[in-house]
Amino acid sequence: DSGVTQTPKHLITATGQRVTLRCSPRSGDLSVYWYQQSLDQGLQFLIQYYNGEERAKGNILERFSAQQFPDLHSELNLSSLELGDSALYFCASSVGGGSVSDTQYFGPGTRLTVL
Amino acid sequence: DAKTTQPNSMESNEEEPVHLPCNHSTISGTDYIHWYRQLPSQGPEYVIHGLTSNVNNRMASLAIAEDRKSSTLILHRATLRDAAVYYCIGRNNNDMRFGAGTRLTVKP
Repeated sequence: DSGVTQTPKHLITATGQRVTLRCSPRSGDLSVYWYQQSLDQGLQFLIQYYNGEERAKGNILERFSAQQFPDLHSELNLSSLELGDSALYFCASSVGGGSVSDTQYFGPGTRLTVL
Repeated sequence: DAKTTQPNSMESNEEEPVHLPCNHSTISGTDYIHWYRQLPSQGPEYVIHGLTSNVNNRMASLAIAEDRKSSTLILHRATLRDAAVYYCIGRNNNDMRFGAGTRLTVKP
């Protein structure tokens, strides 16, 4: 158990809909990262928040957005969903702002299925 | 992050040592080498990381070549629980860029 929690575990929805994925970091960790893992693209970094502010951006679509709240939990919002958004979404956390020696701790993931 | 090259798959017998190679010939002097693994149906899990010197922890050892263009993750005695995809990352950024990794199969 990494100490990172994600809800829900599974989510099934239809194309065009909007969903929200939630992540609670390990106690004391200030950074939250979001990753998408699909069969054809592998594990891809989406976005990082550090202490409430966006710190780094990866391959995140404009239809996706995230935020980190004062209690440090984070939400990833996915809108206008398409079939290709079906994937595993992982959240990770780290103590610092993401230095090159930081260790990231991953949650168990949310499996999103878009029908 | 530096580009890394790993074999697609490797096999090992249970209780034998496993050496997982990684080439990172474009690595810069300040890039750390990180290893993560992903067990079936789980999120990635940190294994070990290092900069120049060899590193040991309770999970594994990391041997880094003197020129830093390659490294090897060493599992001293593979168990069935070590069957996973192992990712080598040459990190110079906030985020981590995962490649395809090496799928390790452990045979009883």
